[in-house]
Amino acid sequence: QLQLQESGPGLVKPSETLSLTCTVSGGSISSNNYYWAWIRQPPGKGLEWIGSIYYSGSTYYNPSLQSRLTISVDTSKMQFSLRLSSVTAADTALYYCARLYSRSWSFDPWGQGTLVTVSS
Amino acid sequence: SYGLTQPPSVSVSPGQAASIACSGNKLGDKYTSWYQQKPGQSPILVIYQDNKRPSGIPERFSGSNSGNTATLTISGTQAMDEADYYCQAWDSSVVFGGGTKLTVL
Repeated sequence: QLQLQESGPGLVKPSETLSLTCTVSGGSISSNNYYWAWIRQPPGKGLEWIGSIYYSGSTYYNPSLQSRLTISVDTSKMQFSLRLSSVTAADTALYYCARLYSRSWSFDPWGQGTLVTVSS
Repeated sequence: SYGLTQPPSVSVSPGQAASIACSGNKLGDKYTSWYQQKPGQSPILVIYQDNKRPSGIPERFSGSNSGNTATLTISGTQAMDEADYYCQAWDSSVVFGGGTKLTVL
């Protein structure tokens, strides 16, 4: 079955750029009607959608993060990536990647998540 | 920007039905999904497209959506259903509700 796995540094300094990669296995990243998404969850808080990308490279970003955000896809590696610049402590969160079905706008499955802490 | 509102907490006795509401402007015109998240685990999809269950989700989970409110109902609630539940919809971008902690007393 389809699986997603996040990877990247667990600690990022304030003002620097957070970079994460999600590797997709057990299925195709180039499937029609599926986007690939990043979602985060600050400790003890709720879920926040960060953005999504189609295999063609078309993106949707959360307007509140858009100015600092870049999501890219590498279909040959079955990976998509997140870059969030100028991070602050408010960006400390558990970061999930997930598949987004565009006909129902639902996320399934999700990766296990990776904790990113912003601290000097 | 569009917002979805959920009650912070809901309590239910084992075997009873639990209902969790999610409200938003004209939410009935949009597809709503629901996610279950247990402590230390990733969210899992339990309802999509208002009332459809993914494979592997028990039949006791059901959903409805009309007007300004979507509702997740768990019939015959079990102790294993104790979790946080999030609603989610699309309105030019993805929106999540704030989450509801379901306690099975």
